[in-house]
Amino acid sequence: EAGVAQSPRYKIIEKRQSVAFWCNPISGHATLYWYQQILGQGPKLLIQFQNNGVVDDSQLPKDRFSAERLKGVDSTLKIQPAKLEDSAVYLCASSLGLYNEQFFGPGTRLTVL
Amino acid sequence: KQEVTQIPAALSVPEGENLVLNCSFTDSAIYNLQWFRQDPGKGLTSLLLIQSSQREQTSGRLNASLDKSSGRSTLYIAASQPGDSATYLCAVTNLMNRDDKIIFGKGTRLHILP
Repeated sequence: EAGVAQSPRYKIIEKRQSVAFWCNPISGHATLYWYQQILGQGPKLLIQFQNNGVVDDSQLPKDRFSAERLKGVDSTLKIQPAKLEDSAVYLCASSLGLYNEQFFGPGTRLTVL
Repeated sequence: KQEVTQIPAALSVPEGENLVLNCSFTDSAIYNLQWFRQDPGKGLTSLLLIQSSQREQTSGRLNASLDKSSGRSTLYIAASQPGDSATYLCAVTNLMNRDDKIIFGKGTRLHILP
């Protein structure tokens, strides 16, 4: 069974530029999560989807971050414009349902200069 | 607001020893608790998931316990090996009628000495 796929693996941009990350969850998983992990910290949940609906986006900085999950499968997370403090690893995870075991992708390491 | 704490932040033990990692949380109204390991530069690997109605889960040399009333979970690793060296993270899923639905601890960085 294929795992959670993410791309790109690394991205370097300058502040005020925009960037987008892509995630393909495990087939059949209805729930998809985006996390931000700053060095030395645990992941912070940014947004959680159930199929193509948003379950929780309370910690998503909506003035600059946006995410969508069209057709309830793949998802993209966008940052526009990026700030220095957005430098982090962005992790995508999926699970069968809202309360099931989460499986993570390898992450995208973002560096904002 | 739920807070999840993992102490110690780092731990070094000789190979072969049994060890316990700790995870505490401030609000017992959780749905489940999950333990992960994270290798440097990698994503998270799921180890064990404990539902709030369960007391423990076991997988191979790993055993996780949950005491919801006291807000504590432990991950027991038997006969530690150098390959167990990684950062171990716990995460609680809170009941759905609140904003902070999933909260991670900062992790315990474990080093097994050969």
